[in-house]
Amino acid sequence: EIVMTQSPATLSVSPGERVTLSCRASQSISTNLAWYQQKPGQAPRLLIYGASTRANGVSPTFSGSGSGTEFTLTISSLQSGDFAVYYCQHYNFWPYTFGQGTKLQIK
Amino acid sequence: QVQLQESGPGLVKPSQTLSLTCVVSGASMVTATYSWSWIRQSPGKGLEWIGNIFYSGTSRRNPTLESRLSISIDTSKNQFFLKLNSVTAADTAVYYCARSSVVMADAFDVWGQGTMVSVSS
Repeated sequence: EIVMTQSPATLSVSPGERVTLSCRASQSISTNLAWYQQKPGQAPRLLIYGASTRANGVSPTFSGSGSGTEFTLTISSLQSGDFAVYYCQHYNFWPYTFGQGTKLQIK
Repeated sequence: QVQLQESGPGLVKPSQTLSLTCVVSGASMVTATYSWSWIRQSPGKGLEWIGNIFYSGTSRRNPTLESRLSISIDTSKNQFFLKLNSVTAADTAVYYCARSSVVMADAFDVWGQGTMVSVSS
């Protein structure tokens, strides 16, 4: 099983700031990585797949990069609706696994 | 617009079987484009992929649950199902059904709202 490690666990930031979240895989997963956003009481929402492709309807302020074992999600200018928990997930082979999440909170 | 909706009992006794249904609306399940997954989320273990199934009936199960898990599908009713045997408190979680698409490289692009299942006597 591939272990996905996200850092940091929590990030305190101000609206308008640029933020970068990290995700590391325990072995190479090529670009078979997705990012999700989850708000309280809601299901996760797909933001990025293929490590860097935005899903339908996702704001261009979200961008993903990386391949192999190191990945990042960047939000170029934080809006109030972006404060949430973000998860990475690999789908290189079964079982698919998720990271433990990074919580973005308002500073 | 595709929608998924989970249903099932919110409370299951230890050692019994947890049974959930996911109803898919707005799209046919009879296509190789999609697979249909169960995912759960608990405070202790975060998000955990349980397993998936294709319209053909072929399924993949997480090895950590494989011995207790069954996933099935009824394409005539546009539904798929989860059965988890011999549950314990560790199976308490929010259970989601989700769709993954080869178009989106197997990421989960549509999720149900989730259903909370508690295991307790």
